[in-house]
Amino acid sequence: GDSVTQMEGPVTLSEEAFLTINCTYTATGYPSLFWYVQYPGEGLQLLLKATKADDKGSNKGFEATYRKETTSFHLEKGSVQVSDSAVYFCALTGNTGFQKLVFGTGTRLLVSP
Amino acid sequence: NAGVTQTPKFRILKIGQSMTLQCTQDMNHNYMYWYRQDPGMGLKLIYYSVGAGITDKGEVPNGYNVSRSTTEDFPLRLELAAPSQTSVYFCASSSGLAGGNEQFFGPGTRLTVL
Repeated sequence: GDSVTQMEGPVTLSEEAFLTINCTYTATGYPSLFWYVQYPGEGLQLLLKATKADDKGSNKGFEATYRKETTSFHLEKGSVQVSDSAVYFCALTGNTGFQKLVFGTGTRLLVSP
Repeated sequence: NAGVTQTPKFRILKIGQSMTLQCTQDMNHNYMYWYRQDPGMGLKLIYYSVGAGITDKGEVPNGYNVSRSTTEDFPLRLELAAPSQTSVYFCASSSGLAGGNEQFFGPGTRLTVL
């Protein structure tokens, strides 16, 4: 079945450092790909998404490019802030009819001043 | 729009007790979901619904029941609570449209079974 693999955390960075969180997937067909963020004590929020190969999703300085050739959707940010400390989930869903979201296990990011 | 709302926010149950977690959405979404999130883990799908009167099991349905009598509401019932059901429960909804099925999440219910 479909699956998502994320790098294990926690990822610990200093403020203004460059961030990469790796995500690879296994799926049939052409899934849509998502990054969700969960701040402490809150539910998940959609951060960005991409629905077809070579699409780049971006939001709040975060970016991720849908790479079909490497089945990857790595999350990047050029300069992280303390307020970016959260858990980040990579997810996918199929593109034909109704499809459930398949989540990775999440990567915790800790940013220190 | 309030989005997806869940009640209660916190609850402590004794083993064998039962309770209902409430979930309501005001986005007229057809699709609704219940997930559980165990400490340090990702989300696991418990049940989902593709419309009023239609529900189906997810990955971990044992010990839970759901109903969907209206588009807006999707309550999750726990019967005979067990310590293994200690978790954070999230309700979500989506339009279900193909090509980017974004789900909107509620704030969660933190349940402890002692």
